[in-house]
Amino acid sequence: AQSVTQPDIHITVSEGASLELRCNYSYGATPYLFWYVQSPGQGLQLLLKYFSGDTLVQGIKGFEAEFKRSQSSFNLRKPSVHWSDAAEYFCAGLYNQGGKLIFGQGTELSVKP
Amino acid sequence: DAGITQSPRHKVTETGTPVTLRCHQTENHRYMYWYRQDPGHGLRLIHYSYGVKDTDKGEVSDGYSVSRSKTEDFLLTLESATSSQTSVYFCAVQRGGKDYGYTFGSGTRLTVV
Repeated sequence: AQSVTQPDIHITVSEGASLELRCNYSYGATPYLFWYVQSPGQGLQLLLKYFSGDTLVQGIKGFEAEFKRSQSSFNLRKPSVHWSDAAEYFCAGLYNQGGKLIFGQGTELSVKP
Repeated sequence: DAGITQSPRHKVTETGTPVTLRCHQTENHRYMYWYRQDPGHGLRLIHYSYGVKDTDKGEVSDGYSVSRSKTEDFLLTLESATSSQTSVYFCAVQRGGKDYGYTFGSGTRLTVV
């Protein structure tokens, strides 16, 4: 079955440290891939998306993600985390256009001062 | 956000009562979706619509029904609310064209007591 997995439920990093959030998708056809961020009590905001082409994707708020077909991964990175980045992050995949967006379980990010 | 309005934003209801949540969009998108968000599960698809009067089930459709009598409105009905349906419900639309992707509403927090 098509699926998206985020192996880390909760991650804590220090402010100013680098960040990498993991996302794996079930192999087979490569889905369109998305990263969303959700602040407490808020809706989902798109950080970036990958459809094809350049495997390193730049997004908003200084985030980037790298698509690696060999590892079925689409990890989200940020070189220096700010306290305002504390939120929940969701990876999602779309396996066919017009179809259903499949979400990972989410990773909650805490930032230590 | 981006022309999507969910109502109500918050609701408390009693077990066994019917509840209807509304999603209204102003941008004439064809595809609309209802998700529920629960800790540890990310967002899971309940039902979706690919046009007026065209709907289909998602992965957690039991106990829910939907209707779409016009393009702009997608209604989610809990036939007889149960405590397990306490959740945050998000509506989404699929955007086509150059800005392909999904836009989410602000969510409805439903508590069944």
